[in-house]
Amino acid sequence: QITLKESGPSLMTPTQTLTLTCTFSGFSLSTYGVGVGWIRQPPGKALEWLVLIYWDDDKRYSPSLQTRLTITKDTSRNQVVLTMANIDPADTATYYCAHRLEGPNWNAAVFDYWSQGTLVTVSS
Amino acid sequence: DIQMTQSPSTLSASVGDRVTITCRASQSIGTWLAWYQQKPGKAPKLLIYKASNLEGGVPARFSGSGSGTEFTLTISSLQPDDSATYYCQQYTGYSTFGGGTKVEI
Repeated sequence: QITLKESGPSLMTPTQTLTLTCTFSGFSLSTYGVGVGWIRQPPGKALEWLVLIYWDDDKRYSPSLQTRLTITKDTSRNQVVLTMANIDPADTATYYCAHRLEGPNWNAAVFDYWSQGTLVTVSS
Repeated sequence: DIQMTQSPSTLSASVGDRVTITCRASQSIGTWLAWYQQKPGKAPKLLIYKASNLEGGVPARFSGSGSGTEFTLTISSLQPDDSATYYCQQYTGYSTFGGGTKVEI
């Protein structure tokens, strides 16, 4: 059974760096083809895909956010870590990590298992 | 970016009704389209992928169709548990999501 759970701060101050950790079970990020992504959702708004990381450490970033995002993995601990630099009130959102089911290329992903989500509020 | 436009943004229907939600892509995406259901305070749940493939465990009253730029999600007989917001997602490249359709019963 695949599960994912994210952890991190709930309140941030503008210009800080946000660090979120996704801890998962039921699959291995060292297995060929496996990927984990991050998606966010501002309150009352639609979903936005942020980044993907794959079993071979390949990383794919949203072009609009790539200068601010960094994703890493710790295969031995079954964790993926997302950092977002220079955070702004517009980054207030619920952040989800999710397991990639498939896609026609490594930029693309549909997600079949999602974490519960963590609300990060950015305010001075 | 490929823009995804859903319609309607809100719909009200009764139990047992047939409901259709439309998603249009700003350029052709083949059949690389997914549908999710999201209830308040919960994570999205995958319903349909590759335009018409039903995810395991999803009731058969949900179905998806379309290709190219126009897609539909159909609920054949609306149930009380189907009250939620539905999102389409294209994943031909960098993924983008539609704005959502809220289904009220």
